[in-house]
Amino acid sequence: NAGVTQTPKFQVLKTGQSMTLQCAQDMNHEYMSWYRQDPGMGLRLIHYSVGAGITDQGEVPNGYNVSRSTTEDFPLRLLSAAPSQTSVYFCASSHDRVTNTGELFFGEGSRLTVL
Amino acid sequence: EDKVVQSPLSLVVHEGDTVTLNCSYEVTNFRSLLWYKQEKKAPTFLFMLTSSGIEKKSGRLSSILDKKELFSILNITATQTGDSAVYLCAVIRAGNMLTFGGGTRLMVKP
Repeated sequence: NAGVTQTPKFQVLKTGQSMTLQCAQDMNHEYMSWYRQDPGMGLRLIHYSVGAGITDQGEVPNGYNVSRSTTEDFPLRLLSAAPSQTSVYFCASSHDRVTNTGELFFGEGSRLTVL
Repeated sequence: EDKVVQSPLSLVVHEGDTVTLNCSYEVTNFRSLLWYKQEKKAPTFLFMLTSSGIEKKSGRLSSILDKKELFSILNITATQTGDSAVYLCAVIRAGNMLTFGGGTRLMVKP
């Protein structure tokens, strides 16, 4: 059982480059979300989705795009990377609305460095 | 502005000690409070608290919520080195929005 799979695990970008962080889950979860984790700031919600075709902004959405064409996949796109986007990114999913269960299943994270 | 504040920022104890981690919050449309444990990589779920005064317990870990004073505590008794981790508190607001605190880093020495 793979759970939540994120790729790549590590990435170095130059300012202005674009890239996509991939997230896939095999648990048939409706709810998926992306967080960034910076030292001393905990996890901050970037975007989330409550089902295929539905996405919404979180706390820090600027500079990031998402789409949810299937239940399994929830990619995060950086259109023009900036040094302020250097962070560790986590994808998380839940089998129900997170307000009902609270239990998020996290991927192992993607460490992104923007030079 | 919604905020979740955890204290202390870090803590060093010896095996067998009891620790109490704190989480205070000021958010609009509060629904529930969550605790997660983060070791090397992905956070793992510990507790979800929705009602005031009802203790949740799992082995040596327990947690309680006070919705009047807007805080929660996580207790760990008889600590072990395997309890060393960052403990994250998060609040669920209406609309599936989660706000996390900055975490408490716990180190348990043998």
